Amino acid sequence: DAKTTQPNSMESNEEEPVHLPCNHSTISGTDYIHWYRQLPSQGPEYVIHGLTSNVNNRMASLAIAEDRKSSTLILHRATLRDAAVYYCILRKAGGYSGGGADGLTFGKGTHLIIQP
Amino acid sequence: EAQVTQNPRYLITVTGKKLTVTCSQNMNHEYMSWYRQDPGLGLRQIYYSMNVEVTDKGDVPEGYKVSRKEKRNFPLILESPSPNQTSLYFCASSSLGTTDTQYFGPGTRLTVL
Repeated sequence: DAKTTQPNSMESNEEEPVHLPCNHSTISGTDYIHWYRQLPSQGPEYVIHGLTSNVNNRMASLAIAEDRKSSTLILHRATLRDAAVYYCILRKAGGYSGGGADGLTFGKGTHLIIQP
Repeated sequence: EAQVTQNPRYLITVTGKKLTVTCSQNMNHEYMSWYRQDPGLGLRQIYYSMNVEVTDKGDVPEGYKVSRKEKRNFPLILESPSPNQTSLYFCASSSLGTTDTQYFGPGTRLTVL
């Protein structure tokens, strides 16, 4: 599976935008880029995903580089509740092929610290 | 409300005493999965199920069993727990679409003495 590289931790101030980078230089054409986050003492939760175009939803925006070798998760106005570990995960189109575990491969993620 | 529930949330047990952690989802999802999370190792998949009566091993299946007799339930069974199974366990479910997201339960913190 293609791997992702994220900074171990990042710090930001409350109510400021946060840009969380992810490098995935070996991404294949069929890999979707997913972001999950894990708040303290909770299970992971889905944030956003995309393939080639930038994506927006109520939680965040995803900016994908033209060559798809990197992406950035953007929290437009961070709050204290956004303090979490953010995971960038590649997932093949077709998802559950049945040919393997098809689970999400979580790396170490980025620990986002929000200062009040 | 769409959710994945796990029980118990916390469990302390002793080596060798069989236990079951239940997982239930109310979203009619075909796919269910169990992960364990350990410091420095992240989340690793234990077992998964593509549908009723269809289960398969994930990355770390040793010492665990699962069953999928009903679509909504996917219990994790430790027949003879050992201290190295002390961990935080998460159940997840999703439908089988191309990019369907996984919904995770709140976690079960297991300590095996």
